[in-house]
Amino acid sequence: DIQMTQSPSSLSASVGDRVTITCRASQSVNTYLNWYQQRPGKAPQLLIYAASSLPSGVPSRFSGSASGTQFALTINGLQPEDFATYYCQQTYTSPRTFGPGTKVEIK
Amino acid sequence: QVLLQQWGAGLLKPSETLSLTCGVSGESFSDYQWSWIRQPPGKGLEWIGEINLGGTTNYDPSLQSRVTISIDRSKNQFSLKLNFVTAADTAIYYCARATDFWSYYLDSWGQGTPVTVSS
Repeated sequence: DIQMTQSPSSLSASVGDRVTITCRASQSVNTYLNWYQQRPGKAPQLLIYAASSLPSGVPSRFSGSASGTQFALTINGLQPEDFATYYCQQTYTSPRTFGPGTKVEIK
Repeated sequence: QVLLQQWGAGLLKPSETLSLTCGVSGESFSDYQWSWIRQPPGKGLEWIGEINLGGTTNYDPSLQSRVTISIDRSKNQFSLKLNFVTAADTAIYYCARATDFWSYYLDSWGQGTPVTVSS
């Protein structure tokens, strides 16, 4: 199975900050790497797919990048509604494993 | 706009079978794959498995001996069964649609069904 790690596990930030979350795969997943946002009490929502593509309706302050087996999610200009938990997921192969999550909290 | 609505029993006793169904409306059922994910209380997301329209399934190895995902094309529904549940299976269970075109991602999710296993 491909193992996914994320760092940090949590962070505190202020509205307007630039935030970067990192996800690493234990082996190559090509660009089959997605990011999901989960607000408290809600179902996850797709944020980034194929490492760097934004679904329709996702604000442009969110961006994704890839370098080998390391991936990053960046939020440029954190907004109040962005305080949530973020998960990466590899879908290169089954089982399609999730990272442990990164909780973004208000400073 | 696709809508995934899920239902099933929310309270089970140990050794019983968890059974959930996800109904899909609003868009074509046939162009996607269909997945189940769960989230134990206070923890992260766990991928359970998936099924395509042809009925081919993939499961997480840790659950493979107990899980069955099936599909009913005539009703635009897919289902999850998990046998011999224990307290460790207590979680919110989500169904989701997977788009598998040039990439693969879960782009629509159900509302989640809390399932508690307790004697």
